[in-house]
Amino acid sequence: QSALTQPASVSGSPGQSITISCTGTSSDVGGYKYVSWYQQHPGKAPKLIIYEVSNRPSGVSNRFSGSKSGNTASLTISGLQAEDEADYYCSSYTGSSTYVFGTGTQVTVL
Amino acid sequence: QLQLQESGPGLVKSSETLSLTCAVSGGSISSSSYYWGWIRQPPGKGLEWIGRIFYSGSTYYNPSLKSRVTISVDTSKNQFSLKLSSVTATDTAVYYCARQGGASSTVPGGMDVWGQGTTVTVFS
Repeated sequence: QSALTQPASVSGSPGQSITISCTGTSSDVGGYKYVSWYQQHPGKAPKLIIYEVSNRPSGVSNRFSGSKSGNTASLTISGLQAEDEADYYCSSYTGSSTYVFGTGTQVTVL
Repeated sequence: QLQLQESGPGLVKSSETLSLTCAVSGGSISSSSYYWGWIRQPPGKGLEWIGRIFYSGSTYYNPSLKSRVTISVDTSKNQFSLKLSSVTATDTAVYYCARQGGASSTVPGGMDVWGQGTTVTVFS
């Protein structure tokens, strides 16, 4: 069970849109709809921002959106704001009721 | 509002067993819609899913940790626990407990409620 692959860092200017990729295999991301995304600020617990590939929990800004194509899931943050500077992790179901996280992406707002 | 709180020793001697408990408040652990899981994060590194348990006692573990991990639930105390045996320095991490949605939940597959995390350091 290998970690899903994410870019180490992504940056953008305020107001811009950025996209974070999460690449797995047909045994995890490509095979199931249970892909989630988490935002983690330094020293804090992760926060769920996307579940089931593209659904937002109540209270999460609609500036966050998710999608999937084949074995790669993506998180897009539109209208980038200073408060979006954080680490982002994807997660996927891998079968047999187990899950795996991505390697994590540090988002910097320039 | 549902809250989770981890507790347990912050220092564990190498080769011994790490034991943590997650107390659930503001809701029942005996929900048929949710699982209860453990996740860890080594210093400066990413998240690792350790495993999860259903209130009935069914458990599911990360294959890479399966031989050393035991997760149990105590519905009478509304809490669940983690035991990790034969620890080494690589088990040093912040350990989080979290609620994970089942297929019938409002957040299928998502971990929507997290504890604040507890730091465990393995020393020799």
